[in-house]
Amino acid sequence: AQKITQTQPGMFVQEKEAVTLDCTYDTSDQSYGLFWYKQPSSGEMIFLIYQGSYDEQNATEGRYSLNFQKARKSANLVISASQLGDSAMYFCAMREGQSGGSNYKLTFGKGTLLTVNP
Amino acid sequence: DSGVTQTPKHLITATGQRVTLRCSPRSGDLSVYWYQQSLDQGLQFLIQYYNGEERAKGNILERFSAQQFPDLHSELNLSSLELGDSALYFCASSPLRTATNEKLFFGSGTQLSVL
Repeated sequence: AQKITQTQPGMFVQEKEAVTLDCTYDTSDQSYGLFWYKQPSSGEMIFLIYQGSYDEQNATEGRYSLNFQKARKSANLVISASQLGDSAMYFCAMREGQSGGSNYKLTFGKGTLLTVNP
Repeated sequence: DSGVTQTPKHLITATGQRVTLRCSPRSGDLSVYWYQQSLDQGLQFLIQYYNGEERAKGNILERFSAQQFPDLHSELNLSSLELGDSALYFCASSPLRTATNEKLFFGSGTQLSVL
């Protein structure tokens, strides 16, 4: 079974609008971390935001926020006031503890390609 | 700049050849991870080292091997290369190994093209 599922291969948004990128995850661990990374066309992987499984509040980092719904096992990324420079591939990732068998590695979803239109 | 250095940035080689990709982690980071990114497979975890020791293995082929040296830099060796090995290879580092809240810092990747 997929550990991380991103169901939107591609998304379009108008500049200055908000957009939500979906991510669901599968784990039996109680302790885990959820991450979002951005990969622009230049190729580097840029960390955006982190949410811990025990965090009661949704994480926010500037224009990025994470809509964490633990019971539904979803960790959607919300980008507010989209900018042209937000056009990139976005990856959701999870880091489980050792009991999950993953030995703390980061497992990535397939990604969502976001295009911001002017 | 993440602080993780990967060399070379681009590598073009022929089938059957062997190449070595190099990674210097961020100063102070003890864990190094290697990932392969291809269009069809996405980002695949290959292998993890912690303070010189192999700690986790993912979808790494037997033709591939890696090591982490005493100065903590790491090398990924790819041998008997096939066309399908063409991909972007990332190295990432983190301070520890056993923390679910640790983010990984990624290098800029090595783009390998096997012709």
